[in-house]
Parts: sequence; structure tokens; C-alpha cells
Amino acid sequence: QLQLQESGPGLVKASETLSLTCTVSGGSISSSSYYWGWIRQPPGTGLEWIGNVYYSGSTFYNPSLKSRVTISVDTSRNQFSLSLTSVTAADTAVYFCARHWLQFLAFDIWGRGTLVTVSS
Amino acid sequence: QSALTQFASVSGSPGQSITIACTGTSSDIGGYNYVSWYQQHPGKAPKLMIYDVSNRPSGVSNRFSGSKSGNTASLTISGLQAEDEADYYCTSYTSTTTNWVFGGGTKLTVL
Repeated sequence: QLQLQESGPGLVKASETLSLTCTVSGGSISSSSYYWGWIRQPPGTGLEWIGNVYYSGSTFYNPSLKSRVTISVDTSRNQFSLSLTSVTAADTAVYFCARHWLQFLAFDIWGRGTLVTVSS
Repeated sequence: QSALTQFASVSGSPGQSITIACTGTSSDIGGYNYVSWYQQHPGKAPKLMIYDVSNRPSGVSNRFSGSKSGNTASLTISGLQAEDEADYYCTSYTSTTTNWVFGGGTKLTVL
């Protein structure tokens, strides 16, 4: 059964870069049927889509974050990664990675999420 | 402010049916059938409950159903159970540059 697991620092200093990795197990990230995405959830609030990557490396991002976000894929390691630059307290959130089902455009499998706190 | 509008809360008694609405525009819900719904219990990851407006993934109870009329999508839960108490989020593809938009979420309380 396919599983996703986020990893990375739980604490990042303001103005620095947040970096997270999502490891896919139980299946291949190179499937043509899926995108791979990042979604975040600030404490006590709703979900915000950050961006998606395809196994080929093509990406698309939420315009509100686009200038600061890079999502990349490493098919040899079955991983994809998120980089968010110049973070502020507003970037404090639980960050989820998820599989995005291409045919129906739905996030069908999610990681457990990881809390990233931006400190001043 | 979320691009899709959901009421903040809804409640119902065990055994009852409730409906959660999600309102968008012709650029998202009204223009496409790529509407999905997610259930999120506290401290947990969201779980896909409905995709393509009205389809249930394997393993999701048939007490959950989805529909759409115009720019509004709805999630109906019948035969409410205590375990249904959670936050519910809608999402849709959008033809705007955002690509995908989430609703602000609706907290379901089972009385």
C-alpha cells in the first residue's frame, strides 16, 4: 500500500529557507497517473495548496507563493521536495505531502504531515 | 479568505442527515466536475471522501454522498455517527491561475 512520509526540520528561523522532503513507499513516484503535491495548514485554519510536481519534473505553483517556492522530484530516491525561501511567522503550518490523482484531480493519499514553526 | 465558501459549522444528532455546502464560481465548481471533499479529524491528515463531485473512493461509507448544482457543491452525510465528527473541506479545480482552491472548512459536530 502506498505511503507518504514528510521529513525535515521542525523549526526554521525567519528569513531562512524551509526545506522538506516527502518519501514515497509502496509504489513508484514515476507513475504517469499522478502529480505529487504539497499542501499546508496553519494552526487552527484551513488548507492551502502550495504546488505540484510531475515525475518528469514539470511543476505548477500557487501564485501567492510562486516567487518563494520550488518543488523538485528525485525519481531515483522516490522522493519529492519542497523549498520555501524567506519564511516568516505566517509560514508556520503543518505541511502535508499528497498524491494528486491526475484523472480526477483529487488528493487521494496523504502523508501524516509535519509541523514547521518559524521562529524570530 | 478562501476561494470557496463554506459555513463554519454544522451540527446534527446521531442517525440524522446533514448537508455541507461549498459555493464557488463558474470558474471552478460551476465550470468543472473536479470537486472533491475531505474529512479531517483533529491532528490527522485529510482523507478523501468524494471525488468528481459524487464518486466515493473504495472503502468510504455509502453514507457519504456528493452533488452539485450550479456553482454550489454539497456533501451529504446520512445516518450520522459519532465518528463523523470532524472538519470537512471541499476543493475544486479552477481555471484561474490558482489551479486548485480549497474551501475554508466546515466543522461538523455530532450532538
